[in-house]
Amino acid sequence: GAVVSQHPSRVICKSGTSVKIECRSLDFQATTMFWYRQFPKQSLMLMATSNEGSKATYEQGVEKDKFLINHASLTLSTLTVTSAHPEDSSFYICSARQDLQANEKLFFGSGTQLSVL
Amino acid sequence: TQLLEQSPQFLSIQEGENLTVYCNSSSVFSSLQWYRQEPGEGPVLLVTVVTGGEVKKLKRLTFQFGDARKDSSLHITAAQTGDTGLYLCAGARSGYSTLTFGKGTMLLVSP
Repeated sequence: GAVVSQHPSRVICKSGTSVKIECRSLDFQATTMFWYRQFPKQSLMLMATSNEGSKATYEQGVEKDKFLINHASLTLSTLTVTSAHPEDSSFYICSARQDLQANEKLFFGSGTQLSVL
Repeated sequence: TQLLEQSPQFLSIQEGENLTVYCNSSSVFSSLQWYRQEPGEGPVLLVTVVTGGEVKKLKRLTFQFGDARKDSSLHITAAQTGDTGLYLCAGARSGYSTLTFGKGTMLLVSP
């Protein structure tokens, strides 16, 4: 099946630094990718929709200047957490939408555990 | 209010028992997907149901889509410790580009 690669899987950083997370669709082109945040034992919380070649669409309450999204190609979206603080520590997951004829599928990356000290 | 109500939120059972997880809504979905997620990993798609009344089986897992396409259930027969994980239902609605996720069911199967 289709594969979505997310990197890094784990990152520890100091407060005030920025962290970039990459999401790649390895064997299909994805015009749309999604970024989620997840707290322990809870469901996924959609942060933003990443659209190739245009601005991302952010969910209510998500700061677009804090979480910068770039979707410069059909196989790569990046999420940059700027000036990270301890409250930004979380599990971040991306997904890529594969548009097949009458059968749309969503594939998830393996997630990035961010710990801000 | 949660668009997709998933229940129960937590379930702890012994190996060999049966269980059912429910996903309910007042909205109609064009399709509904079930995912399983293990700690530290991304969700993995188990099944997609599209037709009202549809039943799909995946080994010991049985998925059902309600006739009105507003609800779905996941039934696991003779649970095994390897079934432990977070189960998520997610619905797609016409005119919406994003999936709506339920809050998830954390399943723990003990030996």
